[in-house]
Amino acid sequence: GQQLNQSPQSMFIQEGEDVSMNCTSSSIFNTWLWYKQEPGEGPVLLIALYKAGELTSNGRLTAQFGITRKDSFLNISASIPSDVGIYFCAGQLEYGGSQGNLIFGKGTKLSVKP
Amino acid sequence: NAGVMQNPRHLVRRRGQEARLRCSPMKGHSHVYWYRQLPEEGLKFMVYLQKENIIDESGMPKERFSAEFPKEGPSILRIQQVVRGDSAAYFCASSPITGLVNYGYTFGSGTRLTVV
Repeated sequence: GQQLNQSPQSMFIQEGEDVSMNCTSSSIFNTWLWYKQEPGEGPVLLIALYKAGELTSNGRLTAQFGITRKDSFLNISASIPSDVGIYFCAGQLEYGGSQGNLIFGKGTKLSVKP
Repeated sequence: NAGVMQNPRHLVRRRGQEARLRCSPMKGHSHVYWYRQLPEEGLKFMVYLQKENIIDESGMPKERFSAEFPKEGPSILRIQQVVRGDSAAYFCASSPITGLVNYGYTFGSGTRLTVV
């Protein structure tokens, strides 16, 4: 099946540092979404991107939809302890997927040391 | 406004039993999506339903799994004759109209199924 390659798998950073993670694919996507999941909970939508090149911010979070439509990145500036969690990228395929079928990356596990 | 409600939160079944997972979408939402998450993995699409219709079930295993979203009441994901490999977290999401990505996805808190 279709895959999203998300990296890094995990990050251990100091409070106040900036964080960057990304997702790449060999397929073209028409939508990119970034989610955060905390233990025992469902994913919570952070940022949604709908157009190639789009750059969107949500507080300290910034995400971009790659120009090739095959990748996206998420940056977190000045990390704080409550940023801890697993971050997932998800995308909807341009071709071959229904509107309900999102492809998820395997996640980036973020740990923040106070 | 209540979010997407899933119950039970935790479900333990013996091998061979049936598991029924329920999802009540957000108020006014008529589209429901089920996803499965294995430990240390991302979510995998299973099925997309509208009221009384299955729109896309391309992610559903061919046997033992079924889903419905009746005119009244919650959506049900049913797993018959469960096996250990069915142990996972099952998440439901909902949207108001076609084109859910225009609204992102609102996920429930999931049902964690453990098969013993």
